[in-house]
Amino acid sequence: QVQLVQSGAEVKKPGASVKVSCKASGYTFTSYGISWVRQAPGQGLEWMGWISAYNGNTNYAQKLQGRVTMTTDTSTSTAYMELRSLRSDDTAVYYCARDTTHWFDPWGQGTLVTVSS
Amino acid sequence: EIVMTQSPATLSVSPGERATLSCRASQSVSSNLAWYQQKPGQAPRLLIYGASTRATGIPARFSGSGSGTEFTLTISSLQSEDFAVYYCQQYNNWPPLYTFGQGTKLEIK
Repeated sequence: QVQLVQSGAEVKKPGASVKVSCKASGYTFTSYGISWVRQAPGQGLEWMGWISAYNGNTNYAQKLQGRVTMTTDTSTSTAYMELRSLRSDDTAVYYCARDTTHWFDPWGQGTLVTVSS
Repeated sequence: EIVMTQSPATLSVSPGERATLSCRASQSVSSNLAWYQQKPGQAPRLLIYGASTRATGIPARFSGSGSGTEFTLTISSLQSEDFAVYYCQQYNNWPPLYTFGQGTKLEIK
């Protein structure tokens, strides 16, 4: 079955960087994109950006431009999301999702990133 | 950026009754709209795409309608497992530039 498995929870200090991984299985990785979505505690869903697993093209949400980088490793069917210059309001659960270039299905289990001094 | 607005923020409905959730787009997104269900501590799950097509394995009591700027998710006879938060999402851009509504919490009356 199609599955996305994310890396474990992280605790970071303000100003640091975090890199979350998302390993895909059960489908041809390069046939879809991967989107990243985050959810702050008690809040709604915020789309962060998209990467094509076929050619590495990306598009990021404007508010994160310059702080986020999304990459893929097609040899291991793994996507990565790196967020730099972390602030307390980056504390959230970060999800990857298979992106049909339209809707998201399925989603990873989520990775909690806590930013605290 | 296309802004998605969901209403109401919270909807209280009794089991077995019908629930109607709304989603409005700030500009036309054609039928490029999806709905997701999220239960506490879980990742969201795709329910509907293309405004009205049920995703694989989604029960027939879930239905979506609308186009342009006005959309509706209807749950015809609420089951206990349907009480959750529901989000709409538009995907009317290329390159991808998606936005979600703020969510509607469906709670037991």
